[in-house]
Amino acid sequence: DVKVTQSSRYLVKRTGEKVFLECVQDMDHENMFWYRQDPGLGLRLIYFSYDVKMKEKGDIPEGYSVSREKKERFSLILESASTNQTSMYLCASRRDRITEAFFGQGTRLTVV
Amino acid sequence: RKEVEQDPGPFNVPEGATVAFNCTYSNSASQSFFWYRQDCRKEPKLLMSVYSSGNEDGRFTAQLNRASQYISLLIRDSKLSDSATYLCVVNIDNNDMRFGAGTRLTVKP
Repeated sequence: DVKVTQSSRYLVKRTGEKVFLECVQDMDHENMFWYRQDPGLGLRLIYFSYDVKMKEKGDIPEGYSVSREKKERFSLILESASTNQTSMYLCASRRDRITEAFFGQGTRLTVV
Repeated sequence: RKEVEQDPGPFNVPEGATVAFNCTYSNSASQSFFWYRQDCRKEPKLLMSVYSSGNEDGRFTAQLNRASQYISLLIRDSKLSDSATYLCVVNIDNNDMRFGAGTRLTVKP
């Protein structure tokens, strides 16, 4: 079974802090994604990566950056956390552009 | 217009009912299609892929209509455990995945 693991289930951070969300997959997948999910807005794509050191902006990249130094790991960075970044963050990976994606368990981030 | 649109519901049905969800997509270059299920405060999980010829998995049937650009999910003999939000997902040619906002289903005794 594919396993996508996010480093934290729940996280509380202060406004202005730099926040790192880590995601690791164990199936040698090429593609990895970061989404945020908010009530009424569904899943919105922040960034995705189709290879090591490659990244593409999604729909809402502002205030975020990503890092993919190794194939199995895709990190989401909130440069200076703000209260409007309080959300559920979901990481996903998939083998290629036509296959299904597998999700991590999600990180519920609260910025106070 | 959103790239992937779903009726948000909620759909409230009795046990044993048949319920159908539709999802429309705007990008004709879309390559593959899926239905996911998401329980409250959990991550989305793959329910089934959607194939051009239509496919069935037990009580669940998925269909694709490329000409009209929609996919559908039919659930027969609904169970209480089917209560969840159902998300349609479209893989687009540019290596992107697009999600519908989800349709919420509640199955009642």
